Amino acid sequence: EAGVAQSPRYKIIEKRQSVAFWCNPISGHATLYWYQQILGQGPKLLIQFQNNGVVDDSQLPKDRFSAERLKGVDSTLKIQPAKLEDSAVYLCASSLELGGSNYGYTFGSGTRLTVV
Amino acid sequence: DQQVKQNSPSLSVQEGRISILNCDYTNSMFDYFLWYKKYPAEGPTFLISISSIKDKNEDGRFTVFLNKSAKHLSLHIVPSQPGDSAVYFCAASPHNNNDMRFGAGTRLTVKP
Repeated sequence: EAGVAQSPRYKIIEKRQSVAFWCNPISGHATLYWYQQILGQGPKLLIQFQNNGVVDDSQLPKDRFSAERLKGVDSTLKIQPAKLEDSAVYLCASSLELGGSNYGYTFGSGTRLTVV
Repeated sequence: DQQVKQNSPSLSVQEGRISILNCDYTNSMFDYFLWYKKYPAEGPTFLISISSIKDKNEDGRFTVFLNKSAKHLSLHIVPSQPGDSAVYFCAASPHNNNDMRFGAGTRLTVKP
């Protein structure tokens, strides 16, 4: 079974620029999550999709972050404009079903964003 | 707000000995608890979980213990192997809710 694919692996941008990350979850996984992991901290949930609908985006800074999951498969996360404090690893994860807590999520390798 | 806390940023043990990683939580609504393992440049991988109706779950060398009254869980690895060297994240979520909260992680180093 192929894992969760993310691209790019690394991105360096200047502050106030925009950036987009892409995620392809495991085939058949209905639930998709975007997490932000700042150095020295644990992953923090930004947004959760069930198929192509948003389940929870309460921790997404909506003034600059946006995400979509068209057709309930791939997802993109965008930051516009970026700030220095957005430097982090952005992790995408998927799970077979809502409430996949018993089985954990499958994470991608992440995109490391550096804002200079 | 840090609802899941891992107070030890690092732990070093000798190969063959037991590794004990600790985690505390504050939210009494948490119903499921998980441990993830993370190698450098990779995403976290699911290791083991426990439901709040249990106090112990074992999978090979890995055992998770849950003390609900103390809001504390721990991961025991025995015997520890050099390949276990990684960052271990504790995570928790409320029942039927995917708002999974992670601790800051503990870096385990197993020395040969």
